[in-house]
Amino acid sequence: QKEVEQNSGPLSVPEGAIASLNCTYSDRGSQSFFWYRQYSGKSPELIMSIYSNGDKEDGRFTAQLNKASQYVSLLIRDSQPSDSATYLCAVRWAGNQFYFGTGTSLTVIP
Amino acid sequence: DADVTQTPRNRITKTGKRIMLECSQTKGHDRMYWYRQDPGLGLRLIYYSFDVKDINKGEISDGYSVSRQAQAKFSLSLESAIPNQTALYFCATSDPRLAGTGELFFGEGSRLTVL
Repeated sequence: QKEVEQNSGPLSVPEGAIASLNCTYSDRGSQSFFWYRQYSGKSPELIMSIYSNGDKEDGRFTAQLNKASQYVSLLIRDSQPSDSATYLCAVRWAGNQFYFGTGTSLTVIP
Repeated sequence: DADVTQTPRNRITKTGKRIMLECSQTKGHDRMYWYRQDPGLGLRLIYYSFDVKDINKGEISDGYSVSRQAQAKFSLSLESAIPNQTALYFCATSDPRLAGTGELFFGEGSRLTVL
């Protein structure tokens, strides 16, 4: 059974703080890892992808991957109210199936 | 215009009715997917197709069927809708040849309510 689990949330942080979102996955054969952001009533949009162990930074976003621990995280620095959304962790398995976690709702308080 | 277009965007129907949700894309991607989203359950894969002749079941295919009419079109059918199929449905595409990500590109969603 392939499983993707995220910290349950909801998560609230003050504006300017760091938001930390976590995800674990069950299958060591997984290939690629993604973070999608979904605003209420909208479709998911990709914000980060990561394939190898370590950190990947893009602006205020940092994705971290640890394949030995089957763990991927997303850090949002200097959080802004516009970051308030649900963040979905996705894993692409061999065979190009994408499986998603249940999402973590983030609210950034002005 | 959206690259991945879903129709209808909203539909209310009754138990037992046949419903078709359609997806068309202009991205030229071979791979297409149908997901449903329920509160607290995230996105769950219903069916996926890697080309016109390739259809595969996902996590939750029971009660659904699909048709890949062309590279650009992938339809999801509920032969006899039931209330627990009330959900937000997303079509998505991907192209593994894309350098780097192979990400999913989503349509705007089809909200289905079964009474």
